[in-house]
Amino acid sequence: SQTIHQWPATLVQPVGSPLSLECTVEGTSNPNLYWYRQAAGRGLQLLFYSVGIGQISSEVPQNLSASRPQDRQFILSSKKLLLSDSGFYLCAWSAAGDTQYFGPGTRLTVL
Amino acid sequence: GEDVEQSLFLSVREGDSSVINCTYTDSSSTYLYWYKQEPGAGLQLLTYIFSNMDMKQDQRLTVLLNKKDKHLSLRIADTQTGDSAIYFCAESQMTTDSWGKLQFGAGTQVVVTP
Repeated sequence: SQTIHQWPATLVQPVGSPLSLECTVEGTSNPNLYWYRQAAGRGLQLLFYSVGIGQISSEVPQNLSASRPQDRQFILSSKKLLLSDSGFYLCAWSAAGDTQYFGPGTRLTVL
Repeated sequence: GEDVEQSLFLSVREGDSSVINCTYTDSSSTYLYWYKQEPGAGLQLLTYIFSNMDMKQDQRLTVLLNKKDKHLSLRIADTQTGDSAIYFCAESQMTTDSWGKLQFGAGTQVVVTP
């Protein structure tokens, strides 16, 4: 069966520091991968999606970037964090545009 | 505004039925989804319905779809305290490169009281 992992689970970082969040999927090949942010107001905002290695599309302009160095690995990064980057970051996968399955999330607090 | 709209809050007594409503705008959506999020956790897929269906039942969950009115509902029978969570409605929107975008509602906070 397929599983999706995210780490770290929680992170507290100072403003201006770099960020790297990792997401990995097991049990499937060539998944579509997604990064979402969930702010305190609960809504989910799609940040990036990827349909293959090295293929990244950004949904909204922001302080973050994403990379997909391997088929089942998706990384969310920032060179310098802003206070507004605080939130709950969720990774998801799907099989060729079908149902999306979510990871456990990373709680990021920028101080 | 939101493409998918939900009421923000629902309070229900333990043992009663809960009904969470959702409206969407994209008539070409192929699938409509319900996800559950418990505090501090990711989204858990509860159920989904294909757009050519009117109803789907899965144990305590019943999904009703009215395509004419673009209205989706989730009924939870015999609501338990463990059903307290945020419930998200989502519609699928196929893009030109077929990567499968989901448009989420803002979520309905369900609180189950003893």
